[in-house]
Amino acid sequence: EAGVTQFPSHSVIEKGQTVTLRCDPISGHDNLYWYRRVMGKEIKFLLHFVKESKQDESGMPNNRFLAERTGGTYSTLKVQPAELEDSGVYFCASSPTKYNEQFFGPGTRLTVL
Amino acid sequence: AQSVAQPEDQVNVAEGNPLTVKCTYSVSGNPYLFWYVQYPNRGLQFLLKYITGDNLVKGSYGFEAEFNKSQTSFHLKKPSALVSDSALYFCAVRDMETSGTYKYIFGTGTRLKVLA
Repeated sequence: EAGVTQFPSHSVIEKGQTVTLRCDPISGHDNLYWYRRVMGKEIKFLLHFVKESKQDESGMPNNRFLAERTGGTYSTLKVQPAELEDSGVYFCASSPTKYNEQFFGPGTRLTVL
Repeated sequence: AQSVAQPEDQVNVAEGNPLTVKCTYSVSGNPYLFWYVQYPNRGLQFLLKYITGDNLVKGSYGFEAEFNKSQTSFHLKKPSALVSDSALYFCAVRDMETSGTYKYIFGTGTRLKVLA
């Protein structure tokens, strides 16, 4: 069974540019989560999808971040325009139900210069 | 507020010795607790969880964790460390206050270094 995949693995962009991160969850997993780890700190929750609906987006830092999950399959997280403080590792996770443990992808390392 | 603390940034242990990675938590109600491990260039891998039942939970790769309600701790342990156990370990608790989400609240991570 394929795990959670994320693309790209690394992204280096200039401040003010736009970047889109993609997450493909495990097939059949309705729950999809985005998290972020900044500068060696704790991993922080960004948002949670159940199928295509946003269940909880309380962790989204500001309106420069837009997440979508069209059709309830893969998800994208767009940062526009990127700022220096957006640098970090963005993790995606999925689970079949909200009661199960979450399965994480390898993360996307975003560097904003 | 709900939180998880991992008081040690790094733990060094000699191969073959027992290891402990500490985690304490603060939540309202009964906690759902998890340990994950991250190897270089890999995602977080699930090790074990405590939901209810026995306080000693056994997980992958010979790891176990002990839930202590009175001390609000969930320390990760292994009787005999391997060099290959060297990695970054994260403790997490499930959010029990926000309805419908069950998102994780993570600690800052502990780097485990097992020395040959």
